[in-house]
Amino acid sequence: GENVEQHPSTLSVQEGDSAVIKCTYSDSASNYFPWYKQELGKRPQLIIDIRSNVGEKKDQRIAVTLNKTAKHFSLHITETQPEDSAVYFCAASLGANNLFFGTGTRLTVIP
Amino acid sequence: DVKVTQSSRYLVKRTGEKVFLECVQDMDHENMFWYRQDPGLGLRLIYFSYDVKMKEKGDIPEGYSVSREKKERFSLILESASTNQTSMYLCASSLSGLGRGNYGYTFGSGTRLTVV
Repeated sequence: GENVEQHPSTLSVQEGDSAVIKCTYSDSASNYFPWYKQELGKRPQLIIDIRSNVGEKKDQRIAVTLNKTAKHFSLHITETQPEDSAVYFCAASLGANNLFFGTGTRLTVIP
Repeated sequence: DVKVTQSSRYLVKRTGEKVFLECVQDMDHENMFWYRQDPGLGLRLIYFSYDVKMKEKGDIPEGYSVSREKKERFSLILESASTNQTSMYLCASSLSGLGRGNYGYTFGSGTRLTVV
């Protein structure tokens, strides 16, 4: 099956700075890569996703890049705000249904 | 606006008890999943189901079983609860990707189970 590794496990940034979280995957057949944000005590929620036919996708302060050759994808958050503080999970999908998750990154934005 | 509902937010059970965790979705999703979430281990898949009465083992099925008698409901059963099953349990659902491409999950709010 697919193996997804996520780094770093914790990340602290000053408010206004950028944050980058990186994930690698093992199976070149994976074709869907979502990112989830989980605030303290709440459910994970999809914040952005990218499919294998696209190299980059942006949604306001959030962007995701995909390098299929190197089998890695990254989440970029610019102009970070305290409300960005959360645990972020990357995931990869081999086929139509199952997602394989990374172990999560706890992002802390320091005011 | 809640689309995936887990029956209990917090649950305390005794060792050896049979425990039922219920999950209901109202989005007519074909796929449903049960994960457990532990610090440093991320989300680990216990069981999933692509259709009514269908179930597949995930990465850590030992000590668990599931039931899907109706499309909207997916139950996780701990046959004989043990302390190492103390965890946060998350249910999720998604549209079937067959012929339509991949879709993300919608998660429930989670059930924090403590086994004493």
